Amino acid sequence: EDQVTQSPEALRLQEGESSSLNCSYTVSGLRGLFWYRQDPGKGPEFLFTLYSAGEEKEKERLKATLTKKESFLHITAPKPEDSATYLCAVQATGGSYIPTFGRGTSLIVHP
Amino acid sequence: NAGVTQTPKFQVLKTGQSMTLQCAQDMNHEYMSWYRQDPGMGLRLIHYSVGAGITDQGEVPNGYNVSRSTTEDFPLRLLSAAPSQTSVYFCASSRWDRQETQYFGPGTRLLVL
Repeated sequence: EDQVTQSPEALRLQEGESSSLNCSYTVSGLRGLFWYRQDPGKGPEFLFTLYSAGEEKEKERLKATLTKKESFLHITAPKPEDSATYLCAVQATGGSYIPTFGRGTSLIVHP
Repeated sequence: NAGVTQTPKFQVLKTGQSMTLQCAQDMNHEYMSWYRQDPGMGLRLIHYSVGAGITDQGEVPNGYNVSRSTTEDFPLRLLSAAPSQTSVYFCASSRWDRQETQYFGPGTRLLVL
């Protein structure tokens, strides 16, 4: 059974205080690992897809990395507008379209 | 483009009532999905469709029906609502060759009393 565990559940940072969110996964074969951002009362918004270990993607203050067992979302010098819940999901090989989502990390950045 | 739209935004039902949650997309996406999101749990896939006339079950399909008569629309039907179906429901769509890039709607918050 595919599993995705995100940590920490909640994270409070001061503006400018860099940190990382973790997504560990168990899957028979990885087709892709996805990161989404979700603002309160809204639907998730796609950020990145990572396909293989060693791959990295960047967008503004966010950088996602992937190993064979986990992914990190690094946030450099965060701003209050980066406050959101960050979701991780994996899609396994084998033809199924069904992604498995983690429970998310709630990030609050204080000014 | 409006993207993915969902109606209604909020709905209160009594146990046993039926209703349809509407979802539409104007991006000509082949794939469409319905998820539910509950506190302390990740998004869970209810049903999905890979094109008009084709649907399949996700992780938690019981109590829900879907159909896909057009590329644009993918309604979710609750035939007899139960309190366990109280949740926030999201519809999503993507291209067949970019399944990882799902576009989500704003959600429907459903309360079943």
